[in-house]
Parts: sequence; structure tokens; C-alpha cells
Amino acid sequence: DAEITQSPRHKIIETGRQVTLACHQTWNHNNMFWYRQDLGHGLRLIHYSYGVHDTNKGEVSDGYSVSRSNTEDLPLTLESAASSQTSVYFCASSYSSNEQFFGPGTRLTVL
Amino acid sequence: RKEVEQDPGPFNVPEGATVAFNCTYSNSASQSFFWYRQDCRKEPKLLMSVYSSGNEDGRFTAQLNRASQYISLLIRDSKLSDSATYLCVVMDTGRRALTFGSGTRLQVQP
Repeated sequence: DAEITQSPRHKIIETGRQVTLACHQTWNHNNMFWYRQDLGHGLRLIHYSYGVHDTNKGEVSDGYSVSRSNTEDLPLTLESAASSQTSVYFCASSYSSNEQFFGPGTRLTVL
Repeated sequence: RKEVEQDPGPFNVPEGATVAFNCTYSNSASQSFFWYRQDCRKEPKLLMSVYSSGNEDGRFTAQLNRASQYISLLIRDSKLSDSATYLCVVMDTGRRALTFGSGTRLQVQP
């Protein structure tokens, strides 16, 4: 069955370290998204991509970067992690403007 | 002002009750509207899309009022399994990303 996966599921890192969160989907969806979810804020858009080599900034993109070298993957990199980036991160994908399917999430703690 | 506003709840209702959630959005260019459901510590999943004409799926009814920029979700005959957080979601013109409300928590009690 087609699916969307995220790894790692849990991660603890020190402030200032670089970390990359992986997202992989097997639906062959053009659109992929990264959100973060924090108490009181709901899910907020970090970056998104409409296809290979396309990336766009969302509302909370500072401190994050993405690259899209193939259809299946959209890794999210925190160049120098800060405690404010402690959050749950969800990756999602969709075809056109249809339903978005979410991965299981990555719980990131920055100490 | 948040783009999508919801009453955070929690709504504590007995089994069999009817419960309604409301949501307002600020971007008049919003084109598509959804309700997502999120169980504790899980990913959001689409519950239903919301159309101007209103739509129903079993015990769930969603309505949209574009003039008032207001979306609603009605759940009839609540089940214990309906306990979750319900997220009001809008998609704006041209961008295929979603804007989420903070969610309304529902707890159905036996």
C-alpha cells in the first residue's frame, strides 16, 4: 500500500546542532509540505514543494531549509537547532488540491 | 488575529448527544474548506470537505457560510470513538498548503 513515512520518530539534540528530518511518500504526489505543531498554535506551515526542484517558504520558515531532488522525498533540515524549534513535525503530501495525507510525525526536542 | 479561529473547548458531552463546532476564517480568498480529525499524539486525518451547499456524511454535517466566513461541523448521536480534536482547515487561492485552526477538543463520556 502507498504511504507516507517520517524518520526518526523521536529525536533529542543539543542547541546549535544540525539535524535532518526525513519524509518519504510512495503515492507519487507532486505536492509535499512540512508543518510544525505546538500547543496553542495548531499546525503551521514551514516549507512546501509543488514538484522536483521546487521549494517555497511557509509562514514559519526561519531556521529551516528543504530540498526536493525527487518526487518521493522532502527532507527538512534545521541548520543550527534552537530550543524554540522543539516541536512535533508533520510531513504531508497531496495530488493537486485534493486531500493531504500526513505522516506519523517526528517529535523533536532541542536541549 | 489568527487566520482560522476555533473555540478550543474541551467539549464534554454524553454519548448520544449532538454537538456543534464553529470556526471563522479571515482570508476572504480562501477557496477550499475542510474538517480534519486528530487523535491524541497522532497525525491529522481528513474527516470531510466542506461545500457551500453543505454536506453530510453519516452522523456528520458540515456547512459553510462564505458571506460570514464561517464553517460549522455538527456531530449527531456522539460515540465514545468520536473523542478527538477537530481541526478547521482552509486552503487559500493559488497555494495548495493548508491553514489550520488550533482545534476543538471533544470528549464523549459514557
